[in-house]
Amino acid sequence: EPEVTQTPSHQVTQMGQEVILRCVPISNHLYFYWYRQILGQKVEFLVSFYNNEISEKSEIFDDQFSVERPDGSNFTLKIRSTKLEDSAMYFCASSDGVSNEQFFGPGTRLTVL
Amino acid sequence: SQQGEEDPQALSIQEGENATMNCSYKTSINNLQWYRQNSGRGLVHLILIRSNEREKHSGRLRVTLDTSKKSSSLLITASRAADTASYFCATPGAGSYQLTFGKGTKLSVIP
Repeated sequence: EPEVTQTPSHQVTQMGQEVILRCVPISNHLYFYWYRQILGQKVEFLVSFYNNEISEKSEIFDDQFSVERPDGSNFTLKIRSTKLEDSAMYFCASSDGVSNEQFFGPGTRLTVL
Repeated sequence: SQQGEEDPQALSIQEGENATMNCSYKTSINNLQWYRQNSGRGLVHLILIRSNEREKHSGRLRVTLDTSKKSSSLLITASRAADTASYFCATPGAGSYQLTFGKGTKLSVIP
């Protein structure tokens, strides 16, 4: 069964460093998303991406964040200068855009020291 | 934005019993989705129910939707220890694909 994959599973970085989180969505899906979950809190929407551009973003997704689909399979989230409060589990998701069923990857646990 | 809020926050049952979790939301929706999350792991999509559906089944799962009460329930029948996880409902915003998640119900199934 097709699935969303994410790498790395765990990323540790120093405050102020740039990180890139990678995702490979399900191959025939057209919509891509990033969500995050701070430990013990709700899953929060960050951004959605369709047709090579951002379609929606939340207040969390400020200038420090960017997304890119550099080729036909990868979807990345970049945090330019990480802060302690960026420590969270980051989930990538994709959907076919017809049913809005969003399928999530296993997540990348980001720890900012 | 939509707010899915589940109750109870935690539920502990014996293996073989049924588990019922509820979700309430505030505004009109096109669909409502239920997800499962094992501790520290990813979100697994369980079922999507559309606003024009009242009930949907998938294996041991039964989901109901009452749009007049803005509520949904997830029933897991004949629970197993492997069902131990957190369960979330999620709703998309109006004209949006963005999902808003509730805080979840933490289900413990005791063998």
